[in-house]
Amino acid sequence: DIQMTQSPSSLSASVGDRVTITCRASQSIGNYLNWYQYEPGKAPKLLIYAASSLQSGVPLRFSGSGSGTDFTLTISSLQPEDFATYYCQQSYSSPLYTFGLGTKLEI
Amino acid sequence: QVQLQASGPGLVKPSQTLSLTCSVSDGSISGGSYSWTWIRQPAGRGLEWIGHIFPSGITNYHPSLKSRVTISADTSKNQFSLQLTSVTAADTAVYYCARDMRGPRGHTWFDPWGQGTLVTVSS
Repeated sequence: DIQMTQSPSSLSASVGDRVTITCRASQSIGNYLNWYQYEPGKAPKLLIYAASSLQSGVPLRFSGSGSGTDFTLTISSLQPEDFATYYCQQSYSSPLYTFGLGTKLEI
Repeated sequence: QVQLQASGPGLVKPSQTLSLTCSVSDGSISGGSYSWTWIRQPAGRGLEWIGHIFPSGITNYHPSLKSRVTISADTSKNQFSLQLTSVTAADTAVYYCARDMRGPRGHTWFDPWGQGTLVTVSS
């Protein structure tokens, strides 16, 4: 299986901060990388697909970049509703999809 | 906008079969460039893809679960289901259903997801 390693596992930040979350794949996955946001009690939400494509309806402060093994999710100016857990997921080895362990973004 | 809702027993005894259903609204499971997926997250652990079913009925499963998993679809009810046999405490998890979108150049992603349902395996 392709292993996905996220860092940091948790992150404290303030409203208005710029935040970057990193995801590293155990082998090259091209740009076959998606990002999701999870808030407790809610359904996980797709933010970014194909490493850098913003899902419709997702605020422009979210952006994704990277290819190969190293990827980042950036939130340009944190809003109160952004405090959640973020997961990366590779689709390169479809259908054997794998996820990172998540990054919890806390106030 | 397609919505998914997973449902089923919240408690299953060890060695029995876990059965969950995902009801899909405002979209048909019969067509389109989608498959329909089950994902789970054990407490304190990461998300794990379980398997999916295509409109054609073709299924794929995670190799570690393949011997115990069946995913099926009922197009008349616009639902798809998960059965996991011989469960143990290790199968205790929040189970999610999701639509597996298929984009260009083989890209796939999960959108939308249903709200998860907690299944506890305990006697």
